[in-house]
Amino acid sequence: DAGVIQSPRHEVTEMGQEVTLRCKPISGHNSLFWYRQTMMRGLELLIYFNNNVPIDDSGMPEDRFSAKMPNASFSTLKIQPSEPRDSAVYFCASSFRRWTSGGDGGETQYFGPGTRLLVL
Amino acid sequence: SQELEQSPQSLIVQEGKNLTINCTSSKTLYGLYWYKQKYGEGLIFLMMLQKGGEEKSHEKITAKLDEKKQQSSLHITASQPSHAGIYLCGADAGGDMRFGAGTRLTVKP
Repeated sequence: DAGVIQSPRHEVTEMGQEVTLRCKPISGHNSLFWYRQTMMRGLELLIYFNNNVPIDDSGMPEDRFSAKMPNASFSTLKIQPSEPRDSAVYFCASSFRRWTSGGDGGETQYFGPGTRLLVL
Repeated sequence: SQELEQSPQSLIVQEGKNLTINCTSSKTLYGLYWYKQKYGEGLIFLMMLQKGGEEKSHEKITAKLDEKKQQSSLHITASQPSHAGIYLCGADAGGDMRFGAGTRLTVKP
């Protein structure tokens, strides 16, 4: 498997423009996560999906951010309009969630290479 | 590339006991992050260490970065069931995040 694929790898845009980040999870995985990486706080979870359904979007900074997962093999994160403070590296990760009792563990997340976004 | 080794891989403790998780790097760490992952959820940022000898605490969790900046430890005091999950250390390797394999913590009531 090629792993988690993200595109574009780099994006430079001007303030006010729409930005769309794309992610293709590992085939067979049923959970997908979008993260934003900043220098001081590392990865911050923006939103995650289970079986294509958004479960928790409390990390989405504001209404300018939206994410969709129309099918199991594709997700987008859109910023409209973009602002300079959105400049960061955005990561997508996927995992396979097994249903078990107890539920005090976790499953390994596989990260994509990230999209480095610069908003001028 | 920077490799992060975590130990132990899994840990089962009785509620109320203290525990320590270690993260060792093959290279100097310039920014070391600790995360927690609960079942079916994303990574939760715990704390970030940058300076050699730095120590940070949040509630009953304390993380340290040693003076040589190649090892970090995460210590939980008086563990509770809510502490259960997978703990990951991560380092920013020039824009690419590197993670340890994680430590799965189970806290028995």
